Amino acid sequence: DAGITQSPRHKVTETGTPVTLRCHQTENHRYMYWYRQDPGHGLRLIHYSYGVKDTDKGEVSDGYSVSRSKTEDFLLTLESATSSQTSVYFCAISEAGTGSSGDTEAFFGQGTRLTVV
Amino acid sequence: KQEVTQIPAALSVPEGENLVLNCSFTDSAIYNLQWFRQDPGKGLTSLLLIQSSQREQTSGRLNASLDKSSGRSTLYIAASQPGDSATYLCAVASGGSYIPTFGRGTSLIVHP
Repeated sequence: DAGITQSPRHKVTETGTPVTLRCHQTENHRYMYWYRQDPGHGLRLIHYSYGVKDTDKGEVSDGYSVSRSKTEDFLLTLESATSSQTSVYFCAISEAGTGSSGDTEAFFGQGTRLTVV
Repeated sequence: KQEVTQIPAALSVPEGENLVLNCSFTDSAIYNLQWFRQDPGKGLTSLLLIQSSQREQTSGRLNASLDKSSGRSTLYIAASQPGDSATYLCAVASGGSYIPTFGRGTSLIVHP
């Protein structure tokens, strides 16, 4: 299994408080992604990173910020948590392929279940 | 913008049936397509990965095909078992950062 660790695995927080989720990888992959999964919506991209200090927004980035100060860690921050951010959050990693087809594969963490009350 | 659609959204079948799950995508400029399995309350388990230059991949009772030009993939499950009950997700990697874009999944129930 790819070395991806998400922490915490479960968290309950109050509306208005800041929350930071951590994704740690041991694969030295360049690309990292944060998704949220909600019933009826599937997995939606929040933010992604294409290198240290290089990040960009995904489909549902409002209310979230990210940081990547070193290759192995990608942090997702909810500056002021709202009930609509109650969800399961998944981190994924990927690396550019070396073949002519650009072969690559994405690996996923086990998820963080966040409840905002 | 890449969009991925999975049909059907839900499927309930008796044990032993052969199944076909469908995935379609709008932008054929992909690097690969992955099929995942997700059990309730759990993470994603990668089942099959098809690179853009490949037409199909097989693992045990699972076979996935890819027709990039038409933007379609199918996951074939042979001789289904109750243990196959789960949600099956399709994801295509595209764009400069190989971003996986997901369909909403097919929820499969195989009853004894």
